[in-house]
Amino acid sequence: DAKTTQPPSMDCAEGRAANLPCNHSTISGNEYVYWYRQIHSQGPQYIIHGLKNNETNEMASLIITEDRKSSTLILPHATLRDTAVYYCIVGPETSGSRLTFGEGTQLTVNP
Amino acid sequence: NAGVMQNPRHLVRRRGQEARLRCSPVKGHSHVYWYRQLPEEGLKFMVYLQKENIIDESGMPKERFSAEFPKEGPSILRIQQVVRGDSAAYFCASSPRTGGMNTEAFFGQGTRLTVV
Repeated sequence: DAKTTQPPSMDCAEGRAANLPCNHSTISGNEYVYWYRQIHSQGPQYIIHGLKNNETNEMASLIITEDRKSSTLILPHATLRDTAVYYCIVGPETSGSRLTFGEGTQLTVNP
Repeated sequence: NAGVMQNPRHLVRRRGQEARLRCSPVKGHSHVYWYRQLPEEGLKFMVYLQKENIIDESGMPKERFSAEFPKEGPSILRIQQVVRGDSAAYFCASSPRTGGMNTEAFFGQGTRLTVV
């Protein structure tokens, strides 16, 4: 599975958009980009995933660059409850659940 | 976290005892995954099971650890002769299948194992 690089931490003001970047320059053609988050001490929570098109759901938007070497997770209106570690993971769809977690980004939403 | 049930939530064992961690996947899911999270570290894949079969145990320590997912009942992660280094949070995830778009994993709340 391709390796990802994320900033270790980010801050965001409550109500503002949180934009979390991820670099995955070695991604291969059949690998998807998945985002999960882990709120302190809880089990990880699926957020969104995509292949090459931008995706949006009720939680977030995923923007993947045309060359697929990087992506951005956007939380449009961050709340205090979005404070968590966010993991960007790449892998083939057939291993959608056998995930290789990196260090992730600690997002802190401030009041 | 859509229905993955793990128990117990907290488990304390003395060194040398056995720990049994149970995971009931989302109803209808036949794929179960176990992950371990050591204190202040990320989640590490341990094992992937389908009903009655171990598919990938590449992340499982070679000794003392075993996992099963019987035809009936929950998946069990068993740790024999626990040591202090086994203290961690153990998370179970389930998915309906591999392949297709709906392959996201649903995680349980984890079992916190403390070895004293």
